[in-house]
Amino acid sequence: GESVGLHLPTLSVQEGDNSIINCAYSNSASDYFIWYKQESGKGPQFIIDIRSNMDKRQGQRVTVLLNKTVKHLSLQIAATQPGDSAVYFCAEIGNNDMRFGAGTRLTVKP
Amino acid sequence: NAGVTQTPKFRVLKTGQSMTLLCAQDMNHEYMYWYRQDPGMGLRLIHYSVGEGTTAKGEVPDGYNVSRLKKQNFLLGLESAAPSQTSVYFCASSPSSYNSPLHFGNGTRLTVT
Repeated sequence: GESVGLHLPTLSVQEGDNSIINCAYSNSASDYFIWYKQESGKGPQFIIDIRSNMDKRQGQRVTVLLNKTVKHLSLQIAATQPGDSAVYFCAEIGNNDMRFGAGTRLTVKP
Repeated sequence: NAGVTQTPKFRVLKTGQSMTLLCAQDMNHEYMYWYRQDPGMGLRLIHYSVGEGTTAKGEVPDGYNVSRLKKQNFLLGLESAAPSQTSVYFCASSPSSYNSPLHFGNGTRLTVT
């Protein structure tokens, strides 16, 4: 079946630097994408979403980019802070089905 | 608002034992879901409900049963636990189908020995 994947399982960045977390999807019918943050011992928490009629969406310190041509999604975190350390994963929604990626662990070094 | 509350937070079972996980949401959401999360894998849907009194199978339903007698509650049951059911279980809710983000609880860590 089709699945959502992540390019890197771990990412380590210096505090204050920008972080980029990538996600590849394979279902061309997917039309809605969500990024979640999961801290240790907690449930996934919504960060930002984007629909397929958009290429970019910005939130507070976060930006999601969608490249439908290569079926690629990325999450950019500006000025990464220690509180951003967590597992980040994407979800793709299409045909009334939601699939989750395995996640990327982001570690922020002081 | 508490959001989505799961009980218990931790549980250890012996093979063959049964238990029920409780999920409660106070957001008046129609849709509720049960997922399991295993290392190195994305969340996998066990069962879901589109409204009070309804349930449906997800991707990995075998060995589990669910009930949605009240809109705010969604119960997940394991009739005869197996070691393969060792996992972290998450309940989630949403106001409609997959057109908006899911709201997750903080999970139940289940170990079956």
